[in-house]
Amino acid sequence: QLVLTQSPSASASLGASVKLTCTLSSGHSSYAIAWHQQQPEKGPRYLMKLNSDGSHSKGDGIPDRFSGSSSGAERYLTISSLQSEDEADYYCQTWGTGMVFGGGTKLTVL
Amino acid sequence: EVQLVESGGGLVQPGGSLRLSCAASGFTVSSNYMSWVRQAPGKGLEWVSVIYSGGSTYYADSVKGRFTISRDNSKNTLYLQMNSLRAEDTAVYYCARESRSGITGYWGQGTLVTVSS
Repeated sequence: QLVLTQSPSASASLGASVKLTCTLSSGHSSYAIAWHQQQPEKGPRYLMKLNSDGSHSKGDGIPDRFSGSSSGAERYLTISSLQSEDEADYYCQTWGTGMVFGGGTKLTVL
Repeated sequence: EVQLVESGGGLVQPGGSLRLSCAASGFTVSSNYMSWVRQAPGKGLEWVSVIYSGGSTYYADSVKGRFTISRDNSKNTLYLQMNSLRAEDTAVYYCARESRSGITGYWGQGTLVTVSS
């Protein structure tokens, strides 16, 4: 079964970097994923599509501070030079017949 | 500029029906994978349904047999017909252009559906 696993929460200091992890279930390590950001009281925003080789293509207007990488079944979202507006829920998502979402990681900027 | 604008949400009684619309601009709905995704209050994102560019449709088990996804190519609009609504269908419903084929993904702003007596 295709499942994405994310840690429920993460925190990092203003100006620092943070790396969020999304893990694909066994047998699905070649799958591409997408990352989405959801700021408080707002709709989701597409950040990027991330392939198994680490190549990624970002959405419109996504700052260079956001980058993606991959290792095996793990997909990462790294946010550098953290700003207050980066405090949000981050969802990874992949594709079966439809979209499959991870449970989301709530990022707190200290 | 790509835009997705949902409409049609509201308050409906259990067992009732609603039709959501998602008007697209800046791209052609029928050439893309288009999904409906919902978010119950305080919960994460849940995929609801997809229509492929070729016209195939798929549904989450939780809505199969009750919801129908469709599109009107002349209006460049995506729809979600929701019948036999239940309290657990209460959520903000978003339409989304998927990025599975490598193109940039987009989200609408969402429309709230409340199922309550």
